[in-house]
Amino acid sequence: TQLLEQSPQFLSIQEGENLTVYCNSSSVFSSLQWYRQEPGEGPVLLVTVVTGGEVKKLKRLTFQFGDARKDSSLHITAAQPGDTGLYLCAGVSGNTPLVFGKGTRLSVIA
Amino acid sequence: DSGVTQTPKHLITATGQRVTLRCSPRSGDLSVYWYQQSLDQGLQFLIQYYNGEERAKGNILERFSAQQFPDLHSELNLSSLELGDSALYFCASSEQGVQETQYFGPGTRLLVL
Repeated sequence: TQLLEQSPQFLSIQEGENLTVYCNSSSVFSSLQWYRQEPGEGPVLLVTVVTGGEVKKLKRLTFQFGDARKDSSLHITAAQPGDTGLYLCAGVSGNTPLVFGKGTRLSVIA
Repeated sequence: DSGVTQTPKHLITATGQRVTLRCSPRSGDLSVYWYQQSLDQGLQFLIQYYNGEERAKGNILERFSAQQFPDLHSELNLSSLELGDSALYFCASSEQGVQETQYFGPGTRLLVL
């Protein structure tokens, strides 16, 4: 069974701080997706990383896929209250269903 | 707005009852996925349908069943409900299969009392 471990589970920071959340697995994935979910809504895809070592930027968010395609990180620079939400990573492996981590719940306090 | 609609938004029922959750995918999407989200288990894949046919099955209990109709909308039926079935149920859709972006609906919050 493929598992994705996300850490930390909870993170509460002040506006303007930087943070990094992690998504780790012992399995190799063909690609990895990051989602953000806000209360009362479904997850929304932020980015997909495909190549080992790949780095993608989305404004203040930087996503990296590990060289071995087993892990990924999300770094947020100068966090804002609008970044508050549940961040989920999901692994893609062939045509098998997505495997989701349990998420990191981020709270950015103004 | 993802284009995926789910009804109802909230559902409160009693143990032993049966409920039906409905999902309408984005226009043109052939695949529909059902997920269950609870605090302790996270987002768990239940089942996928593609153009009316079951494509993949995940951690779906025997008390649960689903189907996708010719107009591509899907229903998830939950029967003999237990307290532990209380959760958020999400539907997602994609054009073809899991390799593509999945668009999630707003979810149905089920509370079993």
